[in-house]
Amino acid sequence: EAGVAQSPRYKIIEKRQSVAFWCNPISGHATLYWYQQILGQGPKLLIQFQNNGVVDDSQLPKDRFSAERLKGVDSTLKIQPAKLEDSAVYLCASSLVPANTEAFFGQGTRLTVV
Amino acid sequence: GDSVTQMEGPVTLSEEAFLTINCTYTATGYPSLFWYVQYPGEGLQLLLKATKADDKGSNKGFEATYRKETTSFHLEKGSVQVSDSAVYFCALSEKTSGSRLTFGEGTQLTVNP
Repeated sequence: EAGVAQSPRYKIIEKRQSVAFWCNPISGHATLYWYQQILGQGPKLLIQFQNNGVVDDSQLPKDRFSAERLKGVDSTLKIQPAKLEDSAVYLCASSLVPANTEAFFGQGTRLTVV
Repeated sequence: GDSVTQMEGPVTLSEEAFLTINCTYTATGYPSLFWYVQYPGEGLQLLLKATKADDKGSNKGFEATYRKETTSFHLEKGSVQVSDSAVYFCALSEKTSGSRLTFGEGTQLTVNP
């Protein structure tokens, strides 16, 4: 079974530029999460989708971050404009259903904002 | 809100030593508890979980018991190996919060031969 795929693996941009990350979850997984992991910290949820609807985006900085999940499968996370403090690893995860089942994580995209 | 507190790291042990990584949590309801592991260069992987009080999760020689009375979920292994070197994250999930995972800060474990 293929895992959660993310691209790109690494991205370096200048502050005020825009960037987008892509995630392809495990086939059949209805729930998709985006987490931000700052160096030395645990991952923090940015947004959770159930199929193509948003379940929780309470911790998403909506002035600069946006995310969508078209057709309830792939998802993109965008930052515009980026700030230095956005440097982090962005993790995508998916699960079959949200009710306390295992979440499977991708390898993440490491973003460096200079 | 929900929170998870892990013992400060990093932790350095010799091979075959006993491992304990402490984890305590704060939650409004009855969460499920997890330990995730992140090996160098890889994504997060579920190590073990427990869904109700007194449950013991176990995998690859690691164990953790859900202690509601002390709100703890400490990770233990009787004899660590060099291959166990990784970052370990304690996490909780509550249905009332959409089952999102709330993670601790992580504990870096290094096992020397």
